[in-house]
Amino acid sequence: AQKVTQAQTEISVVEKEDVTLDCVYETRDTTYYLFWYKQPPSGELVFLIRRNSFDEQNEISGRYSWNFQKSTSSFNFTITASQVVDSAVYFCALVSGGYQKVTFGIGTKLQVIP
Amino acid sequence: GAGVSQSPRYKVAKRGQDVALRCDPISGHVSLFWYQQALGQGPEFLTYFQNEAQLDKSGLPSDRFFAERPEGSVSTLKIQRTQQEDSAVYLCASSLGDRGRYEQYFGPGTRLTVT
Repeated sequence: AQKVTQAQTEISVVEKEDVTLDCVYETRDTTYYLFWYKQPPSGELVFLIRRNSFDEQNEISGRYSWNFQKSTSSFNFTITASQVVDSAVYFCALVSGGYQKVTFGIGTKLQVIP
Repeated sequence: GAGVSQSPRYKVAKRGQDVALRCDPISGHVSLFWYQQALGQGPEFLTYFQNEAQLDKSGLPSDRFFAERPEGSVSTLKIQRTQQEDSAVYLCASSLGDRGRYEQYFGPGTRLTVT
């Protein structure tokens, strides 16, 4: 069985603040893939990043960074110097086992206040 | 554009009616997924196609739900005898790689309201 927990349902920050979105996952498989997606108010999910279980190297892409720690089964997402355009719902997702069924978390709604 | 398209964008059905939701994936994408997203929730997996083969339908909530992708491109999700609990946004996603190991490209969804 696979499970994704996003404990923060809603976060509000003031523009230019840094914010970290938490994601904790559960799987019995040693090979798995983790994703982050963004769902803006318009509704269409947009892919942000993909990580496989053998690559624990953290990644930075512009104002976005991801911290993958297998020891704590976490794959956290940080936005530096947040902007109003970052306001959206962010989903963490996991696929393992047969790699066919993707499990999404409940999502974290981020509101960036100008 | 060449993104994933879905139609209709909105559908209102009376309880008991049958509905058909269409998904046009990105050309050449092998994998196609259907999800159900209830308000305030994450997408819930319904079914997965690799080309025309439906390899996983474990998420379909009942035998009233049926999906097909006969030629390995366009897919249709059919819901028979709709019930109020079927009200949700139905999302389609496609991926260039096989199965769920690669990034998915999502359509705008079809919002189904059953009255």
